Amino acid sequence: QVQLVQSGAEVKKPGASVKVACKTSGYTFSDYYIHWVRQAPGQGLEWMGWINCKNGGTNYAEKFQGRVTMTRDTSTNTAYMELSRLRSDDTAVYYCAKILTGYYSFDYWGQGTLVTVAS
Amino acid sequence: DIQMTQSPSTLSASVGDRVTITCRASQSIGRWLAWYQQKPGKAPKLLIYWASSLQSGVPSRFSGSGSGTDFTLTISSLQPDDFATYYCQQFDSYSLFTFGPGTKVDIK
Repeated sequence: QVQLVQSGAEVKKPGASVKVACKTSGYTFSDYYIHWVRQAPGQGLEWMGWINCKNGGTNYAEKFQGRVTMTRDTSTNTAYMELSRLRSDDTAVYYCAKILTGYYSFDYWGQGTLVTVAS
Repeated sequence: DIQMTQSPSTLSASVGDRVTITCRASQSIGRWLAWYQQKPGKAPKLLIYWASSLQSGVPSRFSGSGSGTDFTLTISSLQPDDFATYYCQQFDSYSLFTFGPGTKVDIK
């Protein structure tokens, strides 16, 4: 069965960087894009971008360009999202999600990783 | 960028009620619209894709309709497990994805 398992919660200081892992199983990793979505406490869902797991190509939401880097490791079927120059308003749960190919919606999600940015 | 709105923001309903949630896009998105259910502390769950296609395993009381700019999610008979927040999500021609602000369905 398809599974996306994310790394554990992180606490970071303002200005630092965080790297969240999303380990996948149950499907052919390189056949699908992985997207990242975040959710601030009590708020809605915010799309951050995607990575093409076959060739490593990326597309980031304008809001995060210059601060986010999405990578993947095909040897371990793991996708990564790194966010730099953290601010307090980056405190959120970060989700990875697998795309439902052809329909541009997200059929499987990771469990979420809470990133807390505090001094 | 395409903006998404949802109405209502909160909906109070009883078990057995027919519930309708509306999502509107600021410009036409064809049928590139999905609906998700999210419960507290959990990841979103895909309910509907391509505006009206029911995701595998989702109960048939959920249905979606619409195209262009106006879309609807309907729950034909609300069940106790359905109290949650619902989000719409669009995909546009610039390869960008946007979520609506959400509709919370709570117990009347």
